[in-house]
Amino acid sequence: EIVLTQSPGTLSLSPGERATLSCRASQSVSSSYLAWYQQKPGQAPRLLIYGASSRATGIPDRFSGSGSGTDFTLTISRLEPEDFAVYYCQQYGSSPETFGQGTKVEIK
Amino acid sequence: EVQLVESGGGLVQPGGSLRLSCAASGFTFSSYAMSWVRQAPGKGLEWVSAISGSGGSTYYADSVKGRFTISRDNSKNTLYLQMNSLRAEDTAVYYCAKDGLFSDNWNYGDYWGQGTLVTVSS
Repeated sequence: EIVLTQSPGTLSLSPGERATLSCRASQSVSSSYLAWYQQKPGQAPRLLIYGASSRATGIPDRFSGSGSGTDFTLTISRLEPEDFAVYYCQQYGSSPETFGQGTKVEIK
Repeated sequence: EVQLVESGGGLVQPGGSLRLSCAASGFTFSSYAMSWVRQAPGKGLEWVSAISGSGGSTYYADSVKGRFTISRDNSKNTLYLQMNSLRAEDTAVYYCAKDGLFSDNWNYGDYWGQGTLVTVSS
């Protein structure tokens, strides 16, 4: 099973700042089959990115994904108030599909 | 508009059973794999089980294999999760999710339900 490790655990930033979230896999994720989700308290996860870098429908272009192999990054270019949430990566290149433990982006 | 509505959660004693349902609308249900993903209180996401669009292929996490059964009724646009021999560690919010790709196996969830809480406790 591929283990995904997200860092940092918590990111304290101010609105307008740039957020860089990391997701590292224990082995190569085939075909860059990696997704990113956003989750706010009491809500279901929301798909942001699939295929490592493709934005899902309706996702603002301030969200971008990059990476391949074992190292992936989610970047939020300028944080809006609604972006403070927990973010998860998920690989779907091999079964079982696994999630990272999450990165919380909080208001500084 | 895609909608997924889970139901069937509740309080159950250890060793008991529960069946979750997920009613789907707004897309061709039989064309997409579906999955159950759970989240224990204050914890991260854990994939539980998936099923192909036809229902002919099913997949399970090791933690639930032999205890949980996923199924679907394409005539009713409904996904199910039969949970037997429940344990305290199965306590979680259970989400159903639609696969984001037109394929036979689970990939990622592009639409998610609001979740249903299952609590296993005596």
